[in-house]
Amino acid sequence: AQSVAQPEDQVNVAEGNPLTVKCTYSVSGNPYLFWYVQYPNRGLQFLLKYITGDNLVKGSYGFEAEFNKSQTSFHLKKPSALVSDSALYFCAVRDINDYKLSFGAGTTVTVRA
Amino acid sequence: GAGVSQSPRYKVAKRGQDVALRCDPISGHVSLFWYQQALGQGPEFLTYFQNEAQLDKSGLPSDRFFAERPEGSVSTLKIQRTQQEDSAVYLCASSSSLAGGIGTDTQYFGPGTRLTVL
Repeated sequence: AQSVAQPEDQVNVAEGNPLTVKCTYSVSGNPYLFWYVQYPNRGLQFLLKYITGDNLVKGSYGFEAEFNKSQTSFHLKKPSALVSDSALYFCAVRDINDYKLSFGAGTTVTVRA
Repeated sequence: GAGVSQSPRYKVAKRGQDVALRCDPISGHVSLFWYQQALGQGPEFLTYFQNEAQLDKSGLPSDRFFAERPEGSVSTLKIQRTQQEDSAVYLCASSSSLAGGIGTDTQYFGPGTRLTVL
C-alpha cells in the first residue's frame, strides 16, 4: 500500500519570504515522488520529481524539494515566494513497481503581496 | 496540441443520465490513466491503459463506470445511470512509458472534466 500525508491544509506567506509545503509518504518499496500544482479550473501541472540520485531535486518556477528517506519526507520549497505561486499543491507517490499515483489531500498556498 | 486535452470541460447531468467523457493524450504516449478528484480532495486512481489494453480497472467505483481506448490513443470514460455521488472532476493523464515497463515517466494531466449530477 502507498499513501501520502500533507499535514497542512493551508500555508500563508508574504511575498519574498521562503515557502515550504510539507509532505510525508508511505510505500512498501522504494518511492518515486512527485509534486504537482493546480490552479483554479485547471488540471495538475507537473513541478518536479524524485526518482533516484541527489536528494535535492530542482524543478520548474524556482521550486525544489528535498527527499529524506529516514523521515520519509519530500518537502517542497521555494526560497522567495511570489504572489503568482498562490495555488493548490499536491504531493504524490508511487512504488517503483507500480504505476498508479497516490496523492495527498493538497495544501493551499496563499502568498500575500 | 502539445498537452493532454479533455472534453467537455463541464458537464451537468440529471440523475440517471449516461455521460461520456473524452480524453486526448499527448501524441505517442503509450500509457493513459483516469483519476477522480472529489471536491477538496486529491485525485484518486480509477483505471489504467497501456495502448488499447485496460490493464487495471481496480479503482472504478462501480459497474456503472466503463472506460475504453479502442485504438490506443483517445479514451472515453462512460458513466451510466449517474448518481449524485459521481459529481467530481475527472482527470486524464498520459505518460510515455514503454509497453511492459513501469519506467520513471511523469504523468501529464489534462484540465479535467467537472461533472455535476443534479
